[in-house]
Parts: sequence; structure tokens; C-alpha cells
Amino acid sequence: EIQLQESGPGLVKPSQSLSLTCSVTGYTITSGYDWSWIRKFPGNKMEWMGYISYSGSTNYNPSLKSRISITRDTSKNQFFLQLNSVTTEDTATYYCARLDGYYHAFYVMDAWGQGASVTVSS
Amino acid sequence: DTVLTQSPALAVSPGERVTISCRASESVSTGMHWYQQKPGQQPKLLIYGASNLESGVPARFSGSGSGTDFTLTIDPVEADDTATYFCQQSWNDPFTFGSGTKLEIK
Repeated sequence: EIQLQESGPGLVKPSQSLSLTCSVTGYTITSGYDWSWIRKFPGNKMEWMGYISYSGSTNYNPSLKSRISITRDTSKNQFFLQLNSVTTEDTATYYCARLDGYYHAFYVMDAWGQGASVTVSS
Repeated sequence: DTVLTQSPALAVSPGERVTISCRASESVSTGMHWYQQKPGQQPKLLIYGASNLESGVPARFSGSGSGTDFTLTIDPVEADDTATYFCQQSWNDPFTFGSGTKLEIK
């Protein structure tokens, strides 16, 4: 059974970079699927941030394109989120998820991590 | 971006039938999906492709719609269905989510 787990600092200062790790067990991230980051703001709004494919290509939400980077460490079966120049508006719960565009015929997030709460504050 | 509009909250009694709606600002064909998020938990995929039941999800859940108007139906509702339900589209880039409908079981 696949499991995903986010980890990283819970508090980041404004203008700094937010960095999170998603550790995947039960599936090798280079075997297939895409690996995504989503965030949920206070008040329930959710935003898809981007993904890294099993082959290493990336696709980002244009609203974040200048600030976001998703990378991976295949030896550790982990992928990462870096969001630069954060402001208080980046305060959210960040989720990593497996993105399937093949078996479900549409792009859906069919496995999620528990989420990591990140507050941006000085 | 495609904006998805959901009603904010509903309250129903156990055993009743409830429909949760999601309207898209432009056509998403059948590229609409539904997730359930219980308090303190991660979202869980319920319905994909507008009407396809995810493996392991009870048949009490069903979805319908195409184009811009979609519905998630729970029949009959159980106490354990207390959660926020989100729609999400993957037909247009970027993927977008609805603001969620909080379902209360009386």
C-alpha cells in the first residue's frame, strides 16, 4: 500500500524559502505516475501547485511559476517542494499526492499525505 | 483559470438523500472529480470522471454531470459522512478545486 508523508519546517519567515519533503513508501516514484503538491489555505481554498513526473519533467501552476521548484531524490524515493519569496499569504497546509492520469483516464490525486502545516510569520 | 463554485454548507439527517453541486465557469467535459475530507484527515478520492466510483468507496456515493454542472449524491447519508466535499477539474490547465461544501449530519 502506498503511503506519502510530508515533512519540513512549520514556520518560515517572510521573504525566505519554504522547503518541504514528501517521502513515499510502497511505490517507487520512477516507476510511473506523477507526484504533486497541493495546498489548502485557511478558509478551505485549495490550490494545485505542480508536479514532477516519473521521468523527472515538471509542470507548475502558472500562478506560482516564478517561485516554485519541484525536484526529487530517486535514491531516497522522495520529492521536494521549494517555494521562494514567501509571504503571509503562503500560510497553508501543504499536501503531497500521487497524480494518476492513466488508470483513472483523467488526472486525479488518488493517494495523499497527511499534510504539513506551514505558517509564514516573522 | 476554471472557477468551480460550490454551496458552502448543508445539513441533513441520517438516512436522507443529499446532493452536492459544483458549477464550472467553463466546460470541463467529464473531467470532474470529487473528494471527501474529514476533519484532521487528508482528502480522499470518491468519484472520478464525473460518474466513476473509486475502488473501495461505498455505492451510496454517486456522481453525475457533464460540461459545467455536476452533482455528488449520497444516498442514504450516514453519520460518518460528516466531512467537507471538494470538486476538482482536470480538463483545463491548471487543475482547480471548488471551495468545498461542508456536510453536517443532524
